[in-house]
Amino acid sequence: GIQVEQSPPDLILQEGANSTLRCNFSDSVNNLQWFHQNPWGQLINLFYIPSGTKQNGRLSATTVATERYSLLYISSSQTTDSGVYFCAVPPRGGADGLTFGKGTHLIIQP
Amino acid sequence: SAVISQKPSRDICQRGTSLTIQCQVDSQVTMMFWYRQQPGQSLTLIATANQGSEATYESGFVIDKFPISRPNLTFSTLTVSNMSPEDSSIYLCSVTIQRTEAFFGQGTRLTVV
Repeated sequence: GIQVEQSPPDLILQEGANSTLRCNFSDSVNNLQWFHQNPWGQLINLFYIPSGTKQNGRLSATTVATERYSLLYISSSQTTDSGVYFCAVPPRGGADGLTFGKGTHLIIQP
Repeated sequence: SAVISQKPSRDICQRGTSLTIQCQVDSQVTMMFWYRQQPGQSLTLIATANQGSEATYESGFVIDKFPISRPNLTFSTLTVSNMSPEDSSIYLCSVTIQRTEAFFGQGTRLTVV
């Protein structure tokens, strides 16, 4: 099946800093999503971004499907940004459901 | 988008027993998905629940351990059977809208003692 690798696995930053999270995938995909899992376990949709660039407030994401990677940018980090960030893609071809990367654990210190 | 309600939100169960988790969606959807998240790990797809047919299980998951029901287009249940401490995980229900963006319920945090 498709492989999804996220980097870095852990990231500790001071409030106000910017960060870039990366997601590499091993095969072509028609769907890619970024999620934020907060400390209470809730999985929050950030972006549905099979290709191109999207922005939502301090967050933006870019997917370059031809090169099989996606980037999530967080600017002016806040403590509430802490948690685990996952990217996910379909497990195989156009099959439904998602294969998740192992996530980036982000800690924002005040 | 979709609003997904899961029950229970958490439970502590004795080993050897079974727990049924309910998932209710606020709109009709063709497919519903069940995931497991073991402590400190990522999410893993357990199965796809189709209305009117048997669920499709991913490698490593079997129907005897994780029976699934899908009686209509807005509801599904996942049962974790004959539980052991290794089944302690968060179980999440998900739907995909028009086969594009996926949405998740708040999860069921299961502890087996």
